[in-house]
Amino acid sequence: NAGVTQTPKFRILKIGQSMTLQCAQDMNHNYMYWYRQDPGMGLKLIYYSVGAGITDKGEVPNGYNVSRSTTEDFPLRLELAAPSQTSVYFCASSYSGGRIYGYTFGSGTRLTVV
Amino acid sequence: DQQVKQNSPSLSVQEGRISILNCDYTNSMFDYFLWYKKYPAEGPTFLISISSIKDKNEDGRFTVFLNKSAKHLSLHIVPSQPGDSAVYFCAAGGANSKLTFGKGITLSVRP
Repeated sequence: NAGVTQTPKFRILKIGQSMTLQCAQDMNHNYMYWYRQDPGMGLKLIYYSVGAGITDKGEVPNGYNVSRSTTEDFPLRLELAAPSQTSVYFCASSYSGGRIYGYTFGSGTRLTVV
Repeated sequence: DQQVKQNSPSLSVQEGRISILNCDYTNSMFDYFLWYKKYPAEGPTFLISISSIKDKNEDGRFTVFLNKSAKHLSLHIVPSQPGDSAVYFCAAGGANSKLTFGKGITLSVRP
């Protein structure tokens, strides 16, 4: 049981480049999330999904896009990377919103935009 | 506007003693609260949760207390162990099933 798998673990992008952060979960969770964590800050919600085909914006969605074509996968797309997007990105999943057992997080993708 | 606040950035305690980590919130619509533990280069891991209808939840060495009138919760770790050294995040959620996280507190347990 792999839980939540994020790839890549590290990436350096040049300003203006694009990339997709991959996230997959094998727990049949219906909810999935993308958070970013900046140094000394908490996790801020970028996008989330309550099921396949349904996505919605979180607190900091600008500069990102998501899709949810299957229950298992929730990729995060960065278009025209900017230095402000330098951060650690965490994908998470939960069963019905994580009210009792919380979210299961991946190990993160550390992205640097130069 | 921070809805979940962890005002102390760090805490250092002696092994075997109690660690008390505090968290305050401002949104009255939050009705469940969670604590996460995070080691460097890893994702946060769920530790313990509490519903707003309770004032205490216990799991082994970890106890979470909730004071709704004060909009305050705390995590007690007894006894503290060196392996507990990590960053602890407080999080709160409501009907929309989205968690709002605090900035975290770094706990150091000295042997």
